Amino acid sequence: DQQVKQNSPSLSVQEGRISILNCDYTNSMFDYFLWYKKYPAEGPTFLISISSIKDKNEDGRFTVFLNKSAKHLSLHIVPSQPGDSAVYFCAASGSGAGSYQLTFGKGTKLSVIP
Amino acid sequence: GAGVSQSPRYKVAKRGQDVALRCDPISGHVSLFWYQQALGQGPEFLTYFQNEAQLDKSGLPSDRFFAERPEGSVSTLKIQRTQQEDSAVYLCASSTGTEEQFFGPGTRLTVL
Repeated sequence: DQQVKQNSPSLSVQEGRISILNCDYTNSMFDYFLWYKKYPAEGPTFLISISSIKDKNEDGRFTVFLNKSAKHLSLHIVPSQPGDSAVYFCAASGSGAGSYQLTFGKGTKLSVIP
Repeated sequence: GAGVSQSPRYKVAKRGQDVALRCDPISGHVSLFWYQQALGQGPEFLTYFQNEAQLDKSGLPSDRFFAERPEGSVSTLKIQRTQQEDSAVYLCASSTGTEEQFFGPGTRLTVL
């Protein structure tokens, strides 16, 4: 049973517009969430994170929103650039035993069209 | 380079062969993780080291998988008697112990 779900396998956005990537989770013990970006033949690269005590975290063009009651988070990229084209993974970790383990979604492939 | 490095980048093995995959973490990072990423999936946790101690190996899929980090730095993931279902990208990550993990480029293993 997938504990972290990214229901959109792919997303296409025009350059300059907003990209919104969504992620849902089922495990209420998760309290730290991360987004990773992955280019082909490379490992995932950390992008941005958010703790469950916050509902928003912003870093330049990237903003992550967390809705704990809905067990939902989203990554907003504004404005989108062609170099943002990659696979984006949502990941989560919990507190207590095994808190170091990251549980990943299946990823969403973002294509930014020039 | 200051990042996590892995070798080899690509490995082709015949079914039944043993393989060894190497990970060089970022210098000073006490935590080291191995993940397995099957095609079309996200990475899945295999095992975790804190320095030389393997604190969690709950994600290793079978007793054919073995990981070590004898001096608390370089780690090796060994797979004995490889099977076709072992074909995947094996990712190594390291961290200072905080939540953010830094990943290497991975080793793509293909078992024929």
